[in-house]
Amino acid sequence: ETGVTQTPRHLVMGMTNKKSLKCEQHLGHNAMYWYKQSAKKPLELMFVYNFKEQTENNSVPSRFSPECPNSSHLFLHLHTLQPEDSALYLCASSQDRGGSLSDTQYFGPGTRLTVL
Amino acid sequence: AQKVTQAQTEISVVEKEDVTLDCVYETRDTTYYLFWYKQPPSGELVFLIRRNSFDEQNEISGRYSWNFQKSTSSFNFTITASQVVDSAVYFCALSGRSNDYKLSFGAGTTVTVRA
Repeated sequence: ETGVTQTPRHLVMGMTNKKSLKCEQHLGHNAMYWYKQSAKKPLELMFVYNFKEQTENNSVPSRFSPECPNSSHLFLHLHTLQPEDSALYLCASSQDRGGSLSDTQYFGPGTRLTVL
Repeated sequence: AQKVTQAQTEISVVEKEDVTLDCVYETRDTTYYLFWYKQPPSGELVFLIRRNSFDEQNEISGRYSWNFQKSTSSFNFTITASQVVDSAVYFCALSGRSNDYKLSFGAGTTVTVRA
């Protein structure tokens, strides 16, 4: 596998379910990101991890819970979601953060989430 | 505050036509970075280019070219001799110190290339 991978690619869940999204990067990067892309809206940054430490939580509701066990893996745990949470969830990674050539973000293919 | 405006929501062209995507940005940073990403129907955002605010040279990569004009705060993207595979949503983005180098994305421009 190369680049940034995400599983599953599609997920349908009920409002009472608990599920997790997985992201894995094979680029040797140190920073990882979760974004939400809803129809007709700009991409929204949700969480940022740098060297496994969370450095950004962009006022995301607690029904979304991120986990970063190591620099290569990032999870997004979902519970009691709402229909308005239906969106494409994109993971990204970068070598570093902070205004250098190596902070360019590379994205995975996304998980298309539908909440019924 | 940082802001990226892509005024064109949708552009439709016939194959082999050139298409130019506009991107206008606002920032108070003196050093900043501009990006273009392509999002095909599969969903993945594909990195196309990164430009440092100090480097105003235009760039060409195959059929893609970029025109950075600091005086007008614009970073436009042209696809020459478009192909059906160019059909995608294209996003312009900006990062800078004032926003802790987080990417601020424009709303995107949907390009449809018809055969």
